[in-house]
Amino acid sequence: GESVGLHLPTLSVQEGDNSIINCAYSNSASDYFIWYKQESGKGPQFIIDIRSNMDKRQGQRVTVLLNKTVKHLSLQIAATQPGDSAVYFCAEILYSGGYNKLIFGAGTRLAVHP
Amino acid sequence: EPEVTQTPSHQVTQMGQEVILRCVPISNHLYFYWYRQILGQKVEFLVSFYNNEISEKSEIFDDQFSVERPDGSNFTLKIRSTKLEDSAMYFCASSEGPGGNQPQHFGDGTRLSIL
Repeated sequence: GESVGLHLPTLSVQEGDNSIINCAYSNSASDYFIWYKQESGKGPQFIIDIRSNMDKRQGQRVTVLLNKTVKHLSLQIAATQPGDSAVYFCAEILYSGGYNKLIFGAGTRLAVHP
Repeated sequence: EPEVTQTPSHQVTQMGQEVILRCVPISNHLYFYWYRQILGQKVEFLVSFYNNEISEKSEIFDDQFSVERPDGSNFTLKIRSTKLEDSAMYFCASSEGPGGNQPQHFGDGTRLSIL
């Protein structure tokens, strides 16, 4: 069936450390993945995406890694800051007819401590 | 930076009443979506909309739900007869194109509380 899930519901890190948030997906046919950040009272905010023909993509302080062999996705945040505290969701695109139905994972809460 | 805007931010309604949730997608986007998030749960797809018609809907999106693009800027979600279990955050999203390489951008949601 379709499912995208997260290994860790809560991740606590010290300010300045690097954070790694993990995600497993089950649909090997998915070809596009997105990480979203959701702060309290706000909607999901796009962070970074990656297509299935890539295994790594870097943004500003963030890196997404895709391992298609084990259907695993991770988000690395360098030098984590208090403003990074939020819930992070991975989402999987099912190209069902071309209309980009997003399947979200359950979310990981990132808590950054000073 | 352009953004998706949603109104109202919070809607309180009696069970059985109709509600309309409103969204203004990003202006050059052509694909529109509604999602919902029940408190403490993950975001769930409801419906996608393109070229003035529904392109896909989930099993949640039953006959009580409808969507409309009444003009060139608004995109609405209507629930005809609300139930207690409709209480959730409802998010509108839009994307410039389909095809698996266009990220969807979300609004900040409408919190719907059914009494």
